[in-house]
Amino acid sequence: AQKITQTQPGMFVQEKEAVTLDCTYDTSDQSYGLFWYKQPSSGEMIFLIYQGSYDEQNATEGRYSLNFQKARKSANLVISASQLGDSAMYFCAMRERFDSNYQLIWGAGTKLIIKP
Amino acid sequence: ETGVTQTPRHLVMGMTNKKSLKCEQHLGHNAMYWYKQSAKKPLELMFVYNFKEQTENNSVPSRFSPECPNSSHLFLHLHTLQPEDSALYLCASSQIQSRDSPEKLFFGSGTQLSVL
Repeated sequence: AQKITQTQPGMFVQEKEAVTLDCTYDTSDQSYGLFWYKQPSSGEMIFLIYQGSYDEQNATEGRYSLNFQKARKSANLVISASQLGDSAMYFCAMRERFDSNYQLIWGAGTKLIIKP
Repeated sequence: ETGVTQTPRHLVMGMTNKKSLKCEQHLGHNAMYWYKQSAKKPLELMFVYNFKEQTENNSVPSRFSPECPNSSHLFLHLHTLQPEDSALYLCASSQIQSRDSPEKLFFGSGTQLSVL
């Protein structure tokens, strides 16, 4: 069963507008973590933001914020005031306990294109 | 300077060839990973090395053989690959501190592999 679902394969957004990228997850663990990564055309995955399941406040990192709705099991990424350089693939990932090691479970990604 | 360096960036090989992918991390991390990224599929974790010892092998075919001679270097040896092995191979590193630490993965830019 798919544990991380990103329902938007692609999005076009006008520059300077805010963007919301959807991510829903499925886990039975009480303790887990949610990550967002950005992958520009250069290929390198870049960490953006992290939310722990016990964190009461939504995580924020500069223009990035994570809209964490635990009951709905959603962890949407919000990018404020989008820029042309935000064009990239965006991946949501979850870390849950798997035996004694942690593994990241990844979504299929959303391709974001910012239009000038 | 990039924290995680992968070489080569591109590799084309025949099914009978033997080649190796190299990864080096300059971040002092204690864990290194190989991921496979195929088009329109979530990232697949292939191997994990924690303190130079392999801790995960997610049912990867034996034609992929990892080697971790020290905590800074990771290799992926390839032999008799199949065309379906064509993908972007990403190396990552992290600092594992505790079971509950949200350690971030730092990725290299990947090796784009084409198997003919």
